Amino acid sequence: DIQMTQSPSSLSASVGDRVTITCRASQRVSTYLNWYQQKPGKTPKLLIHGPSNFRSEVPSRFSGNGSGTEFTLTIRSLQPDDFATYYCQQTFSSLWTFGQGTKVEIK
Amino acid sequence: QVHLVQSGAEVKKPGASVKVSCKASGYTFRNHLMHWVRQAPGQRLEWMGWINVGNGDTKYSRNLQDRVSITKDTSASTTYMELSNLRSEDTAVYYCARSGYFVNDHWGQGTLVTVSS
Repeated sequence: DIQMTQSPSSLSASVGDRVTITCRASQRVSTYLNWYQQKPGKTPKLLIHGPSNFRSEVPSRFSGNGSGTEFTLTIRSLQPDDFATYYCQQTFSSLWTFGQGTKVEIK
Repeated sequence: QVHLVQSGAEVKKPGASVKVSCKASGYTFRNHLMHWVRQAPGQRLEWMGWINVGNGDTKYSRNLQDRVSITKDTSASTTYMELSNLRSEDTAVYYCARSGYFVNDHWGQGTLVTVSS
């Protein structure tokens, strides 16, 4: 199975900060990489797919980049609504896998 | 509008089986794969498997392939996930999630399965 490793596992940041989360795949996944946001007790929400295409309802402060084995999710100016856990997911293999998550907390 | 509505919470004893349903509406059911994902308390999302609703093909996570089965009832626009030989570590919220083009674009509300003696 393709292993997905996110870093950091958690971070503390302030409103207005620029935040970058990295996701590394154990083998190449081309651009079949998605990002989800999950808040406590809620269903995961698709943010970015493929890995730089964001859904129309997602704020433009979110951006994604990368291909092959290394990907990043950047939040340009962190807002109070962005404190959540973020997961990357590869869909290159027929066996999809998620990263372990990155929890973004308020400093 | 796409809706995925899952069955209610379950409490099971170790060694038992559980079957969770996911009823879809708002799109052409057979045109999309349906995945199942679970999340133990405080843990990561774990992908379990998918079913091609059009032809019935399935694919399962290697960790669970001996105990999980995903099936469908096309006439009822419903998929099912059955997990057998339950253990305490199977306590989790189980989600169904439709796949669009290589993404899980719509999710069910989740079903809590608790395994306890």
